[in-house]
Amino acid sequence: KAGVTQTPRYLIKTRGQQVTLSCSPISGHRSVSWYQQTPGQGLQFLFEYFSETQRNKGNFPGRFSGRQFSNSRSEMNVSTLELGDSALYLCASSLGSGGPYYNEQFFGPGTRLTVL
Amino acid sequence: KNEVEQSPQNLTAQEGEFITINCSYSVGISALHWLQQHPGGGIVSLFMLSSGKKKHGRLIATINIQEKHSSLHITASHPRDSAVYICAAYGGATNKLIFGTGTLLAVQP
Repeated sequence: KAGVTQTPRYLIKTRGQQVTLSCSPISGHRSVSWYQQTPGQGLQFLFEYFSETQRNKGNFPGRFSGRQFSNSRSEMNVSTLELGDSALYLCASSLGSGGPYYNEQFFGPGTRLTVL
Repeated sequence: KNEVEQSPQNLTAQEGEFITINCSYSVGISALHWLQQHPGGGIVSLFMLSSGKKKHGRLIATINIQEKHSSLHITASHPRDSAVYICAAYGGATNKLIFGTGTLLAVQP
């Protein structure tokens, strides 16, 4: 079974631009979560989607948004990029309805975003 | 004060040693996760606990809900165990998933 895939793996943008990152979960997994990882703040929860519905959102500004499609693939979007948005963005999928809270998560390799 | 704290931040051990990494949290939780992150970024989920103890190979995770504390133990450590270990607490009532800052483990041969 293929693992979680994320595209692109690396991205360089400039301040003010917007970016869309994509995540394909493991086949059959309906829960997809997104995380931001930086050296200063560590891992932080962005949001979680289950069956096309956002069930939970972390403490991030409205510039961060996401969606999930009927095939469980998910995208996250960051508008008006700031230097502080430079980070590794990870997505993870889970099999059960308990999502990342009560189930094992399978992580993708991440997208390294650099904002100049 | 962070809601989820890990100790130690850094740990160096000799191959074969018994290792303990601690995670304390200040909020009520429903579940606690232990994750392993190798150099290069890949993250693997090790355990999800809501009570008691779980074992997988040389790894053992325990949780004491009353004391708001969890530990990850590695028996007979090996250089391939070198990684960052991260705990994450899920507060069911608050619906918040909060991560610790991680413990960097280096096991020397």
